[in-house]
Amino acid sequence: QIQLQQSGPGLVRPSQSLSLTCAISGDSVSSSLASWNWIRQSPSRGLEWLAKTYYRSKWFFDYAPSLRGRITINPDTSRNHFSLVLNSVTPEDTAVYYCVRLSGNGVLDYWGQGTLVTVSS
Amino acid sequence: DIQMTQSPSSLSASVGDRVTITCRASQSVDRFLNWFQQEPGKAPKLLIYEASILQTGVPSRFSGSASGTYFTLTITNLQPEDFSTYYCQQASTTPYTFGQGTSLEIK
Repeated sequence: QIQLQQSGPGLVRPSQSLSLTCAISGDSVSSSLASWNWIRQSPSRGLEWLAKTYYRSKWFFDYAPSLRGRITINPDTSRNHFSLVLNSVTPEDTAVYYCVRLSGNGVLDYWGQGTLVTVSS
Repeated sequence: DIQMTQSPSSLSASVGDRVTITCRASQSVDRFLNWFQQEPGKAPKLLIYEASILQTGVPSRFSGSASGTYFTLTITNLQPEDFSTYYCQQASTTPYTFGQGTSLEIK
């Protein structure tokens, strides 16, 4: 059974960096079929895809254009997890953040439990 | 970015009713269109992928169809547990994008 377990702080100060981790069980971050994504949800922006990483003989990274330059997704093969770093946060980055697996046929099939991150001083 | 326009934004129905939710893509997504159900405080749950394929374990009263850039989710014989929020999502190209959601409420 595939499970994704998120961890990270729920409160981040404005202009600081948001950092979340997603631990994978039942699959591998180096899977040759799946990719690993971050998605967030807020009342003002709805569901918003942020980033993905996947391994196909080498690592690939893809980011939402609106966040490019501020966002990084990192796979960690030794711990079988992946992380999200979002720099220079503002209150508009307040949202529930989810890590999600994208299966080999392009389906967001397994989701983490979600982490509410509030950006506030 | 591909825009996903979902309608209606809210819908009232009764147990046993049949309802349809539509989603229109701003450009072709082939059949790479997925439907999710989300309950308050929980992650979205996959219902249908590739426009019409039922995810394992999802009741057969849920169905999906496609015609060009128009997609529909139909729920027949509504059950109490179906009153929730539904989203469409295109998986054709990144950035993957979602509809605004449809809140299905009990009449």
